[in-house]
Amino acid sequence: DAGVIQSPRHEVTEMGQEVTLRCKPISGHDYLFWYRQTMMRGLELLIYFNNNVPIDDSGMPEDRFSAKMPNASFSTLKIQPSEPRDSAVYFCASSLTYRGNQPQHFGDGTRLSIL
Amino acid sequence: RKEVEQDPGPFNVPEGATVAFNCTYSNSASQSFFWYRQDCRKEPKLLMSVYSSGNEDGRFTAQLNRASQYISLLIRDSKLSDSATYLCVVKSSGTSYGKLTFGQGTILTVHP
Repeated sequence: DAGVIQSPRHEVTEMGQEVTLRCKPISGHDYLFWYRQTMMRGLELLIYFNNNVPIDDSGMPEDRFSAKMPNASFSTLKIQPSEPRDSAVYFCASSLTYRGNQPQHFGDGTRLSIL
Repeated sequence: RKEVEQDPGPFNVPEGATVAFNCTYSNSASQSFFWYRQDCRKEPKLLMSVYSSGNEDGRFTAQLNRASQYISLLIRDSKLSDSATYLCVVKSSGTSYGKLTFGQGTILTVHP
């Protein structure tokens, strides 16, 4: 079965450029999450969606970050303009009916380096 | 104070050893608890949920103490393949229903 699919796997770009990360959740999952992981701060939730609607974006660091989910099978996380401190691993995860002990399934992550 | 705090680690143990990780959480309204495992340069994966009565999955035992807001993970008969980072995870309730908060992780290295 296909898991959560993220692209690209690696991204290296210069500061000031726009970066777009993509995610395809597991089919049928109604919750989608974007996380960022760094050595200093660990794994942080940026935003999550339920049925394509953003529910909590309190973790989005600043206005340079935006996320969309135009349909049930696709989401994007955009950084514009990018800065070196945005360098991190960005994970997308999905979950079925976010209650009880339903696990979140993570994608392989996008390793982002901003020069 | 961080919402979820774990043993600083790292832990280096020989094969066959028993090792325990501890975790505390600050939000008394937290409703669900998990241990995730993350291999080097890989994504986190659910290891096990943690139930109030304690639960066991093979060599792994998880315990929850709601009064002390404390979670533990015990690994018996450690294998080389257990080497990974173990993340304590708490799901909160309230206005941000179901938000998962991850601890910083504890690194375990099992050596021959």
